[in-house]
Amino acid sequence: KAGVTQTPRYLIKTRGQQVTLSCSPISGHRSVSWYQQTPGQGLQFLFEYFSETQRNKGNFPGRFSGRQFSNSRSEMNVSTLELGDSALYLCASSLTGFNQPQHFGDGTRLSIL
Amino acid sequence: AQSVTQPDIHITVSEGASLELRCNYSYGATPYLFWYVQSPGQGLQLLLKYFSGDTLVQGIKGFEAEFKRSQSSFNLRKPSVHWSDAAEYFCAVGAASGTYKYIFGTGTRLKVLA
Repeated sequence: KAGVTQTPRYLIKTRGQQVTLSCSPISGHRSVSWYQQTPGQGLQFLFEYFSETQRNKGNFPGRFSGRQFSNSRSEMNVSTLELGDSALYLCASSLTGFNQPQHFGDGTRLSIL
Repeated sequence: AQSVTQPDIHITVSEGASLELRCNYSYGATPYLFWYVQSPGQGLQLLLKYFSGDTLVQGIKGFEAEFKRSQSSFNLRKPSVHWSDAAEYFCAVGAASGTYKYIFGTGTRLKVLA
């Protein structure tokens, strides 16, 4: 069974730009969550999608948004990038949600210049 | 408020020594508890999980964890550490209720001395 796939693995952007990250969950998994990981803040929950609907949301500004498609694939978008957005963005999938183990991708390393 | 605390940011042990990583949680719902490991440049891998039943759970790579409700703890243990166990370890709490989120502790970085 293929794992969670995140693309791209690395991205370099400049301040003010926008970026879209992609996540393909494990086949059959309907819940997809996104996390931001930084040395200072650790792992922070961004949002969770289930059946194309945002079901949970963390405490991030509206510049961070996401969506989920009918095949459960998910995208995360960050607009008007700031230096502080530099981080490892992790996607995780599970069958139905937070009462189950999350299966993580290897992440997208986003660097803002 | 929901929270997960891993009091030890860094731990150093000698290869072959025993290991215990601490995790305390505060969670309004019945918690589902997890331990993950992250190697540099990679995502998180599930080590073990506790949902209910026997409070001592076995995981992969020789790890085990014990759930103690009275202490709100879920500590991770390994009897004999291998050099390949050097990584960062995260405790996490989840719940079935949609109003609760999946919360991670701040992580414990393990260094293993040869």
